[in-house]
Amino acid sequence: ILNVEQSPQSLHVQEGDSTNFTCSFPSSNFYALHWYRWETAKSPEALFVMTLNGDEKKKGRISATLNTKEGYSYLYIKGSQPEDSATYLCASSGSARQLTFGSGTQLTVLP
Amino acid sequence: DGGITQSPKYLFRKEGQNVTLSCEQNLNHDAMYWYRQDPGQGLRLIYYSQIVNDFQKGDIAEGYSVSREKKESFPLTVTSAQKNPTAFYLCASQQASANTGELFFGEGSRLTVL
Repeated sequence: ILNVEQSPQSLHVQEGDSTNFTCSFPSSNFYALHWYRWETAKSPEALFVMTLNGDEKKKGRISATLNTKEGYSYLYIKGSQPEDSATYLCASSGSARQLTFGSGTQLTVLP
Repeated sequence: DGGITQSPKYLFRKEGQNVTLSCEQNLNHDAMYWYRQDPGQGLRLIYYSQIVNDFQKGDIAEGYSVSREKKESFPLTVTSAQKNPTAFYLCASQQASANTGELFFGEGSRLTVL
């Protein structure tokens, strides 16, 4: 079983602040890295799927980077808004192709 | 609308009873998954199916059973053999041809065993 770690476990930021979280995963036999956003009482929704070392993806104010050699990915949110409040899940797959999820980072953006 | 439907949202059962959670998708996805979430932990894979009439055990399959008789449906039975069944259960689907493809999730079912 892959061990995927996310930090911090939770954080509170003020509206307008930029923030970032970390996902670390085993770098051996890496296949893909997923980021999901999970709002309370809703389904998790995919933000990014990344496979290549050095990959950087962006969706609006949210972006992510990937370093497969050292086994980490960063998720950045620029100018946080209250609607960004959610749990952000990271998941990694290895040669077995099955995703292993981290325990998530719970973000609260205070107005 | 295309998506994944899980039912029921909330379920209470007495200890020793089997329970079946429903998962239906109309996305025409080949692969379907069942995950379990416990407080402070990541989603853990229970069972998955890449094609109709075939399924594989995940990391925590003991005490659970599944079937995949139709492409659209992947029900999960929580049997009395599952020692700690109280949890939140999420179903997901994926285009099997794209192993890097994103998962599409349902809204989950919360099972409480009294």
